[in-house]
Amino acid sequence: DIQMTQSPSSLSASVGDRVTITCRASQTISSNLNWYQHKPGKAPKLLIYAASSLQSGVPSRFSGSGSGTDFTLTISSLQPEDFATYFCQQSSITPRTFGQGTKLEIK
Amino acid sequence: EVQLVESGGGLVKPGGSLRLSCAASGFMFSSYSMNWVRQAPGKGLEWVSSISGSSSHIYYADSVRGRFTISRDNAKNSLSLQMSSLRAEDTAVYYCARDYDFWSGPYQYNWFDPWGQGTLVTVSS
Repeated sequence: DIQMTQSPSSLSASVGDRVTITCRASQTISSNLNWYQHKPGKAPKLLIYAASSLQSGVPSRFSGSGSGTDFTLTISSLQPEDFATYFCQQSSITPRTFGQGTKLEIK
Repeated sequence: EVQLVESGGGLVKPGGSLRLSCAASGFMFSSYSMNWVRQAPGKGLEWVSSISGSSSHIYYADSVRGRFTISRDNAKNSLSLQMSSLRAEDTAVYYCARDYDFWSGPYQYNWFDPWGQGTLVTVSS
């Protein structure tokens, strides 16, 4: 199985901050990397697919980059509604493994 | 509106069985592979199982193979997960998710969208 390692596991930031979350795959996955946002009691929400493509309806302050084994999710200016847990997922091979998550908290 | 709604969760004793369902609406259900994903308390997301649109391809995580069975009824726009020989470590919120794929030239990309809101399964004596 491909192991996905996210860092940091938690992050405290303020509204307006720029934050970056990283995800590393244990083997190359080309651009088969997705990012999701998850809030308690809600359905996970797709933000970025194919490493850098913004899902329709997702604010442009979210962006993704990377290929091969190293990927990043960037939020350019944090908004109050962005405080949540973020997961990366590789979709190169089954099982479609997830990172352990990054919990983004208000400072 | 594309929507997935899970049901069937609850409290079950170790060794017991439970059947989860996922009702789909707003899209051509039979055209998409579907997935079950779970999140144990305090843990990350774990893919559990997937099934192709025609049910011809089925996959399981090693942790559930031989105990869980995924199935679908395209006439009823419904996905199911039959869980047996349940263990404490199966305690989790279970989500169903549509598998969406996209071709860019020779390259295929896949992602899960949308997801349901989940149903809680608790395995405890």
